[in-house]
Amino acid sequence: AQSVAQPEDQVNVAEGNPLTVKCTYSVSGNPYLFWYVQYPNRGLQFLLKYITGDNLVKGSYGFEAEFNKSQTSFHLKKPSALVSDSALYFCAVRDDNYGQNFVFGPGTRLSVLP
Amino acid sequence: DVKVTQSSRYLVKRTGEKVFLECVQDMDHENMFWYRQDPGLGLRLIYFSYDVKMKEKGDIPEGYSVSREKKERFSLILESASTNQTSMYLCASPPAGRTTNYEQYFGPGTRLTVT
Repeated sequence: AQSVAQPEDQVNVAEGNPLTVKCTYSVSGNPYLFWYVQYPNRGLQFLLKYITGDNLVKGSYGFEAEFNKSQTSFHLKKPSALVSDSALYFCAVRDDNYGQNFVFGPGTRLSVLP
Repeated sequence: DVKVTQSSRYLVKRTGEKVFLECVQDMDHENMFWYRQDPGLGLRLIYFSYDVKMKEKGDIPEGYSVSREKKERFSLILESASTNQTSMYLCASPPAGRTTNYEQYFGPGTRLTVT
């Protein structure tokens, strides 16, 4: 079965500092990994995905994520956080053994402090 | 750009009422999904549909049904609303058919309160 863990409910970081939002996953087949962001009272917006190829994936708004197969992780990173990055972040996985369904993590709330 | 719209942003209903949540996508996508979002639980899949008149249960289908009579529209139905169905409901649709490497496009969500 597929599963996604986001071990931190909340991450606080000062503006201008690097940020990391953690995600680990479990799948039986090849993983397809995604990060989404949700601003207050809005739907989810796609940030980036890993399908195959380079382990470092670059996405929207200066975010990037690193796929680590041995650690089954896909942590989201940004070199310099902005106050406007404050939002709820979701990691999701699809398993090529399980077709269409995404499995989402519980979400991590990022607060960037000015 | 793909657009996924939901009929209401906020909805307040009474216990026992029949509730319809509508989702429309404008890009001729085959697949459409309904999720509910609750704090600390992330998104949980209620139902999804691969094509018109096709539906499949997700992880938490109890208390819900769906309808897909036209390709662009996917409706979620709460036959008899209960307070434990108070939640944020999100509709989503990926741009491709039966492939696994496309992201979901989400609607803005409907925040349903059942009193």
